[in-house]
Amino acid sequence: QTVVTQEPSFSVSPGGTVTLTCGLSSGSVSTSYYPSWYQQTPGQAPRTLIYSTNTRSSGVPDRFSGSILGNKAALTITGAQADDESDYYCVLYMGSGILVFGGGTRLTVL
Amino acid sequence: QVHLVESGGGVVQPGGSLRLSCAASGFTFSTYGMHWVRQAPGKGLEWVTFIRDDGTNKYYADSVKGRFTISRDNSKNTLYLQMNSLRAEDTAVYYCATDPRAYVSGLDYWGQGTLVTVSS
Repeated sequence: QTVVTQEPSFSVSPGGTVTLTCGLSSGSVSTSYYPSWYQQTPGQAPRTLIYSTNTRSSGVPDRFSGSILGNKAALTITGAQADDESDYYCVLYMGSGILVFGGGTRLTVL
Repeated sequence: QVHLVESGGGVVQPGGSLRLSCAASGFTFSTYGMHWVRQAPGKGLEWVTFIRDDGTNKYYADSVKGRFTISRDNSKNTLYLQMNSLRAEDTAVYYCATDPRAYVSGLDYWGQGTLVTVSS
């Protein structure tokens, strides 16, 4: 069974830029996987940042961008702010109507 | 403004059943696919199931296949999740979410979730 992989944790300095990735235990991620990205702070519902690789959800600032980098999907955050400190999840469409979440990346801003 | 409100969560014994509802407003419910996603305490997000806009296609994670049933009533702008043969590992917050499209591609707007606890 293919696993969706994410970095368990990452840190960024305030004002800095960070790129989180979303890969496959076997194979490469392409736009056909419709990669999407979600932000979640403790005790809150998830918030969609990006869907279909690089489309920002309504109200999401352009500091957040999605792309394909090499064989992975990527979420880039520029000008990191304190309230960007959250868990970030990616989702890939695996075909046959199935979505699979990655394990999530805990981002620390310090 | 899109608004999704889940209800129906609670405490149920192992082997029991529960039906969750998700009331939708602020968008044309009948033209979007809908998902259920869950999150066990202290764990990550898990996709559970999807139903397309007109209800003709339904998909399930292996962990719930044969036990859970997704449905929708477009006349009432409401999404449902019938959960049978519940297990302790089904304990989680259950979120409903829209898909950006009629057919499955991802998740867009989310509700606030409803907690399901399976315990004797």
